[in-house]
Amino acid sequence: DVVLTQTPVSLSVTLGDQASISCRSSQSLEYSDGYTYLEWYLQKPGQSPQLLIYGVSNRFSGVPDRFIGSGSGTDFTLKISRVEPEDLGVYYCFQATHDPLTFGSGTKLEIK
Amino acid sequence: QVQLQQSGTELVKPASSVKISCKASGYTFTSNYMHWIRQQPGNGLEWIGWIYPGNGNTKYNQKFDGKATLTADKSSSTAYMQLSSLTSEDSAVYFCARDVMGIPSHWGQGVMVTVSS
Repeated sequence: DVVLTQTPVSLSVTLGDQASISCRSSQSLEYSDGYTYLEWYLQKPGQSPQLLIYGVSNRFSGVPDRFIGSGSGTDFTLKISRVEPEDLGVYYCFQATHDPLTFGSGTKLEIK
Repeated sequence: QVQLQQSGTELVKPASSVKISCKASGYTFTSNYMHWIRQQPGNGLEWIGWIYPGNGNTKYNQKFDGKATLTADKSSSTAYMQLSSLTSEDSAVYFCARDVMGIPSHWGQGVMVTVSS
């Protein structure tokens, strides 16, 4: 199975500052059609995960442009500029390139 | 808007089975895959598998083969997951999620299943 390693495990950020989360894959996530199925989710406290980013860098409907995804191959990053109180929760990366689909272990974002 | 309404909390005995539901609305149920995902207490997320309600085709994570069975009822736009031979390891929150572009996009609220004697 593809292992997604997220760093850091937890992150404490001042409101208005930038946060950065890394996701490294044990295999390349580029599919045979050239598309890369690497997504980012946020699970807020007591809620279901919500899709933020799909295909490495595309923001899902309604997601603010403060969320920026980047990367290729095996290395990916989610940056959150100007962190706001509603951004707290656990961030997961996810890959749908290889079977079985797998999630990263999560990064907990706390507000200082 | 897209809504996935899952059934309520379950408390079940070891070695028994449980069937949880996910009722879809706001889109054409038969046109999108439905994923199922597990979240054990304090742990991350595991993908269980998907079903295509249009024809009943399924795909499972090998880890859940024999544990989970996915079905769908087109007449009521409801997806189901049955979990069998339950142990304490199966205590978790189970989510259904509508597929868009090959990924879980809209998620249900989750069902907590507790296995205890």
